[in-house]
Amino acid sequence: ETGVTQSPTHLIKTRGQQVTLRCSSQSGHNTVSWYQQALGQGPQFIFQYYREEENGRGNFPPRFSGLQFPNYSSELNVNALELDDSALYLCASSLLVEKEQYFGPGTRLTVT
Amino acid sequence: QKEVEQNSGPLSVPEGAIASLNCTYSDRGSQSFFWYRQYSGKSPELIMFIYSNGDKEDGRFTAQLNKASQYVSLLIRDSQPSDSATYLCAVTGANNLFFGTGTRLTVIP
Repeated sequence: ETGVTQSPTHLIKTRGQQVTLRCSSQSGHNTVSWYQQALGQGPQFIFQYYREEENGRGNFPPRFSGLQFPNYSSELNVNALELDDSALYLCASSLLVEKEQYFGPGTRLTVT
Repeated sequence: QKEVEQNSGPLSVPEGAIASLNCTYSDRGSQSFFWYRQYSGKSPELIMFIYSNGDKEDGRFTAQLNKASQYVSLLIRDSQPSDSATYLCAVTGANNLFFGTGTRLTVIP
């Protein structure tokens, strides 16, 4: 157990809908990163938050957005869902930006 | 060229043997290197990290880093069936962590 939690565990949405995924970081960690993992692929970096500010972003469209709260928990929001958004969404927390990241259990999103 | 490349495998080794997993990366500025283990249907689990050239040992695992060759490897000694999983290599970039596609390892009893 890493101490990183995510909710919900599974989610089924319809194309065009919006979804919010949540993550609580490990105690003492101020950096949260979000990843999308498609079947058979490595995780793809979506964005990172450090002390409530976006600190880096991968090659994802603006309909992927996020927030980090003062307690360092975080949300990932995806608007206008597409079928290709079906994936495992992973949250990882770390003590510092360049240091080792610990993953939560993930949220499995299915878009139909 | 992908940022991080791994042989997708599958790699099969007999129980008790040494498993050798390899990874190359493209960004010479990368400073931090990680190996994660991922069981089917689960999230990645950090098993090793290395920041300096050379070897780092932790139990049955040894990570090796060669920045000049842009190469990082993971050795698993005395492989066990429970080591059967996908192993992901990850390398830091600019406020980013790049993952390879993973190498699937099977340890045969």
